[in-house]
Amino acid sequence: EIVLTQSPGTLSLSPGERATLSCRASQTISSSFLAWYQQKPGQAPRLLIYGASSRATGIPDRFSGSGSGTDFTLTISRLEPEDFAVYYCQQYGNSPPRGTFGQGTKVDI
Amino acid sequence: QVQLVESGGGLVKPGGSLRLSCAASGFTFSDFYMSWIRQVPGKGLEWIAYISDSGSTIDYADSVKGRLTISRDNAKNSLFLQMNSLRAEDTAVYYCAREPASGSDFSSWFDPWGRGTLVTVSS
Repeated sequence: EIVLTQSPGTLSLSPGERATLSCRASQTISSSFLAWYQQKPGQAPRLLIYGASSRATGIPDRFSGSGSGTDFTLTISRLEPEDFAVYYCQQYGNSPPRGTFGQGTKVDI
Repeated sequence: QVQLVESGGGLVKPGGSLRLSCAASGFTFSDFYMSWIRQVPGKGLEWIAYISDSGSTIDYADSVKGRLTISRDNAKNSLFLQMNSLRAEDTAVYYCAREPASGSDFSSWFDPWGRGTLVTVSS
């Protein structure tokens, strides 16, 4: 089973700053089968990125994903007030279990 | 628009049962694989079950195997999770989620998610 480790646990930044979130896998993730989600308090997770770098529909271009193999990054180029939330990475593909999540990174002010 | 709405959560005693439902709208439900994912309040996300578009293929996380049963009714655009022999550690918000790109041999990301329904297992 692939284990995803996200860092840092908490990222304290200000609006307008750049946020860089890391997701490291215990084994190579084939074909960049990695997704990123944003979750705000009391809400369901929202898909941001799939395929490591493809933005989901309606996601602003300040969100970008990169990486391959075992190291992946979510970058928020200029933080907006509504971006303060918890972010999760998820691997998928053909390895059970069906979807494995990282433990999350909280981006707060 | 594409929407998923869960229902059926609540307070149940250890060893009890509960049946969750997820009503889908805004898309052709029978074309998509579906999953249940749970989140202990304040904690991370755990995938627990999936069902193929036809309902012929199902799998569970080891943590729930033998106690939870996923099913679907494509005629009613609905997904279900029968939960038996519930334990305190099953206390969580339960989300249903669509798998936009899953096939017979591979899983995909989850999009969208419902708003979730809270299950509390306590005496």
